[in-house]
Formats: sequence, structure tokens, C-alpha cells
Amino acid sequence: AQKVTQAQTEISVVEKEDVTLDCVYETRDTTYYLFWYKQPPSGELVFLIRRNSFDEQNEISGRYSWNFQKSTSSFNFTITASQVVDSAVYFCALGPDSNYQLIWGAGTKLIIKP
Amino acid sequence: EAGVTQFPSHSVIEKGQTVTLRCDPISGHDNLYWYRRVMGKEIKFLLHFVKESKQDESGMPNNRFLAERTGGTYSTLKVQPAELEDSGVYFCASSLASGNLDEQFFGPGTRLTVL
Repeated sequence: AQKVTQAQTEISVVEKEDVTLDCVYETRDTTYYLFWYKQPPSGELVFLIRRNSFDEQNEISGRYSWNFQKSTSSFNFTITASQVVDSAVYFCALGPDSNYQLIWGAGTKLIIKP
Repeated sequence: EAGVTQFPSHSVIEKGQTVTLRCDPISGHDNLYWYRRVMGKEIKFLLHFVKESKQDESGMPNNRFLAERTGGTYSTLKVQPAELEDSGVYFCASSLASGNLDEQFFGPGTRLTVL
């Protein structure tokens, strides 16, 4: 079965704190893709990152970083020095290689308080 | 360059009525996807078009849902007759390439409320 679990329904932190959003996935595919999308209050889904299953290197983009660990089937997302503009719902998604569907987690609502 | 657009942004209808949602993908994108998120649950795949052909409609919940993409440009998703459980946000996405899950660009969604 293909599944994505985001166990944290809502996280609330004070601005400038670091925060990590967890994502655990299940798949039997050997080739697959993992994604993070951000949904700000305006509603659209904004692509953040895509990683394939053969690339376990961690990635850093400004204040954002991603930790991909196949051993624990996790693809966690960390925001360093959070800002109010980071407030949004963040979705983790799994893309099997066999088709074009994205399988989504339930999302984590992140609230950054000033 | 214009992104993916969806119309309407909100729709409130009564149970039993018909609603048609529209999605205009990014120009030149052959791949078009429909997803929906029902009341705080996971976003679920509905179907995938390549140009005007339905590549995968395994996520369509039942025969009350009909998606079309005549001419391979914009797509419509009709719900007839609408039921209460159809309420949610319907997202459309498009992508350029047809392999390796090229980045899917999402529209702002249509929030459907069935009363």
C-alpha cells in the first residue's frame, strides 16, 4: 500500500524558532519521488521540493532544509529561524514511479506567532 | 506567464444540483490532473489527462463525476447530482513533461459546498 503520514496536525511556534515537520511514507516501489508543497492562506499549492528515491542527500535552500532517510521512510522538513510568512499548511506527497498520481499526507498546519 | 487557473473560486449549491468546475492549465502543458481535499482529510487524486485523453481515472469516486478535456486545453469537472459528501476543495494541476513526475503546478482550487 502507498501511504503518507503527517502525524502533526498543527504546530504553533514563536517567530525565529526552528521547526520540523515530519513525514513518513510507505511504498513497495523501489523508484519513487517525494514532494513538499506549501498551501498559504491564499489557497494555492506551492511546490517546494522533489526528491527521488535514489538521492538521499539532504537539501538546504535558504532557511528550508529536508532530511530524507530511506531507512526510516521519512522525509522531514525543517524551517530555521521561522517567520510569520511561513504560516501555512504544508503537505508531504509521494509519487510512485508507476503512474502520475500524487499520494498526499493530511497536511500540517504551521502557525508562526510574532 | 499565467499559472493554472480555476473557476469558480467558490461554489455553494444544494444537494441534487449540478456544478461544473473549470480548470485552465498552463499553456503548453499536456498533462492535467484533478485532485480534491474533503474537509481536512488528505488530498486525493481524481484523474489525469494527457492532452484530451484520460490517462488514469482510477480516483474518480463514482459515476456522478464526469471530467472532460475537449481539444486538450481546458478541462471541466461536472458533479451531477451533487451530494453532501462532495463538499471540499477541488484542485487542478498541470505539468509539461509526461515522465518522472515532472513538477505539477497547482491552481488555487475551487471550494465546493453542498448544502
